[in-house]
Amino acid sequence: NAGVTQTPKFQVLKTGQSMTLQCAQDMNHNSMYWYRQDPGMGLRLIYYSASEGTTDKGEVPNGYNVSRLNKREFSLRLESAAPSQTSVYFCASTRQPEAGSPLHFGNGTRLTVT
Amino acid sequence: QKEVEQDPGPLSVPEGAIVSLNCTYSNSAFQYFMWYRQYSRKGPELLMYTYSSGNKEDGRFTAQVDKSSKYISLFIRDSQPSDSATYLCAMSDNSGYALNFGKGTSLLVTP
Repeated sequence: NAGVTQTPKFQVLKTGQSMTLQCAQDMNHNSMYWYRQDPGMGLRLIYYSASEGTTDKGEVPNGYNVSRLNKREFSLRLESAAPSQTSVYFCASTRQPEAGSPLHFGNGTRLTVT
Repeated sequence: QKEVEQDPGPLSVPEGAIVSLNCTYSNSAFQYFMWYRQYSRKGPELLMYTYSSGNKEDGRFTAQVDKSSKYISLFIRDSQPSDSATYLCAMSDNSGYALNFGKGTSLLVTP
C-alpha cells in the first residue's frame, strides 16, 4: 500500500540544469498537486491537475512545467534551475477535485540548486 | 496579509500536558477546516477534518472551529513524545480545489 510515491528523494543541481520530479499514486485518485515547502513560507501550490488531461497554475508556477502523464502519474519539470528553487517539493493527490477534499501527500523531494 | 495565520512556535511542553494549537483566518467563505501533522523528513498526513463550525473529537485530539471569530484550534490531551511534529492547519471555501495552508507550528513534547 504505497500511496503517493515521489522520486528522487534528494537531488542537487547546478544553476541552469534541468530535471523532472516524478510522482505516482496507487489510490485511483483523480486529482494531483505539486507543492513546495520553504522555511517561514509554508506550503505553496505550484500546479495542480483536477483530472487526467487537465493542468492549472497554482500560486507559484513560474519556472516550472507539469505533465499529467496518465491517471497515476504527475511530473514536475524545472527547465533551468535557479537557487530560488531550492526547496522541498511535495506531490499530493485526492479522490475528487471538489472543495474541501483532503490531500494525501508523498514524502517529498529535497532539491538543492547551487 | 496571508489568508491563514499560524504561530510557528516552537512550542515545548512536558509529557502529559494539554496542548493548544491555533490558526486565524480572514476569508469568511472558508467552510472546510483540517489539521495535518508532519513528522521530520516526511509529508503531511491528515489528522482532523471539520466542516463548518463546531467540535470534533478523535481520541486525544479535539478540533474546534469558531467561524464568528475566524479561529480554529487543535487540542491534544495527555501529550506524548510521539506527538512531537509540525502541525499545519488548512482550509478552503466551496469554490476552489486548493487548500490554504498555515505555515505550521512546531511542537516538542519532552519526556
